[in-house]
Amino acid sequence: DGGITQSPKYLFRKEGQNVTLSCEQNLNHDAMYWYRQDPGQGLRLIYYSQIVNDFQKGDIAEGYSVSREKKESFPLTVTSAQKNPTAFYLCASTPGIGLMNTEAFFGQGTRLTVV
Amino acid sequence: GDSVTQMEGPVTLSEEAFLTINCTYTATGYPSLFWYVQYPGEGLQLLLKATKADDKGSNKGFEATYRKETTSFHLEKGSVQVSDSAVYFCALRGGNKLVFGAGTILRVKS
Repeated sequence: DGGITQSPKYLFRKEGQNVTLSCEQNLNHDAMYWYRQDPGQGLRLIYYSQIVNDFQKGDIAEGYSVSREKKESFPLTVTSAQKNPTAFYLCASTPGIGLMNTEAFFGQGTRLTVV
Repeated sequence: GDSVTQMEGPVTLSEEAFLTINCTYTATGYPSLFWYVQYPGEGLQLLLKATKADDKGSNKGFEATYRKETTSFHLEKGSVQVSDSAVYFCALRGGNKLVFGAGTILRVKS
């Protein structure tokens, strides 16, 4: 079955460490997204990518980095520059910007906690 | 820029009550509109969608109508169940981005 897989489901990070969250999709979607979810604040866009080897900053990109070397994969690195990284991170994908009436598909999320 | 505004929660209802969750949007052009549902500890699942004015999306007893004149996409269900307890997100897709509302927590008591 096609879908989006995020791993790990739970992740713990020490202060000052970088960590990478994995997102893989086998839906053949062109566009992929990373969102951060905090209680009471809904979803905030971190980065998005419309095509391989290209990505754009979202609303809260500071302290995060991404890469898009393959169509299927869009990993997110939370760097030590992100001062408040504890949150629930969601990856999503869509077929592409030309197909506006299609919905986004989401992974199951990664809960990151700083210890 | 594009934005979505949802009614604040939590919304607490008794089983079999009528549900309305208000959603209004601001967008240039003609976006597609969506309702997603999120159960605890999980990702978002599409509940229903509408892609043009006056379209009605429906699924699992939930309905929402795309009202261009009032820029609204209110979610309704005639009789809620305990299993409907979740967070509901209204969203639009326009241009390169997906834009989400803040989410509304729904709690249904038996």
